[in-house]
Amino acid sequence: EDKVVQSPLSLVVHEGDTVTLNCSYEVTNFRSLLWYKQEKKAPTFLFMLTSSGIEKKSGRLSSILDKKELFSILNITATQTGDSAVYLCAVASGGSNYKLTFGKGTLLTVNP
Amino acid sequence: KAGVTQTPRYLIKTRGQQVTLSCSPISGHRSVSWYQQTPGQGLQFLFEYFSETQRNKGNFPGRFSGRQFSNSRSEMNVSTLELGDSALYLCASSLHTSGILNEQFFGPGTRLTVL
Repeated sequence: EDKVVQSPLSLVVHEGDTVTLNCSYEVTNFRSLLWYKQEKKAPTFLFMLTSSGIEKKSGRLSSILDKKELFSILNITATQTGDSAVYLCAVASGGSNYKLTFGKGTLLTVNP
Repeated sequence: KAGVTQTPRYLIKTRGQQVTLSCSPISGHRSVSWYQQTPGQGLQFLFEYFSETQRNKGNFPGRFSGRQFSNSRSEMNVSTLELGDSALYLCASSLHTSGILNEQFFGPGTRLTVL
């Protein structure tokens, strides 16, 4: 059975701190790994990663994938209160039938 | 451009009933996926449609079904509702053929409560 495990489950930091969120996976026939941010209801897309070692960057957020060790990290530098959210990692896998397996998420709280 | 819309936003049903949820994707998007989110299980993939065909499917029983129309709007049906079906049902649309492999845009969800 495909598994995606995120750590930590929750994290409380102060504004300006840098955080690293982890996502490890065990799936059959890996296709891509995606990061989403969920603030209230609808998740919003952050990154899609398919190749090892290539960092994706968007402002203060960056992510990298290690397909050998089967994990990804999401870094957020100079955190702001608006970064408070649940960060979801999902892995797409499969042959002719793709499926998407989500981790339980990391709840990030950024205090002023 | 309007985002993904879902109707209704809230729904209360009783065990044994059936329910139909609707999703209108972003204009031009032909891939629509459905997800169930509960506190215990988190976000789980139900199925994905592209051009009126179910392309991918998660591990849910046959009580959960869906369809997509020629205008890309999609409906999800749950028959013989159980208490455990109480959840937030999210739909997402994508420009890509296999949206679940790529960037998707999520709707606000339908909160289903089964009594």
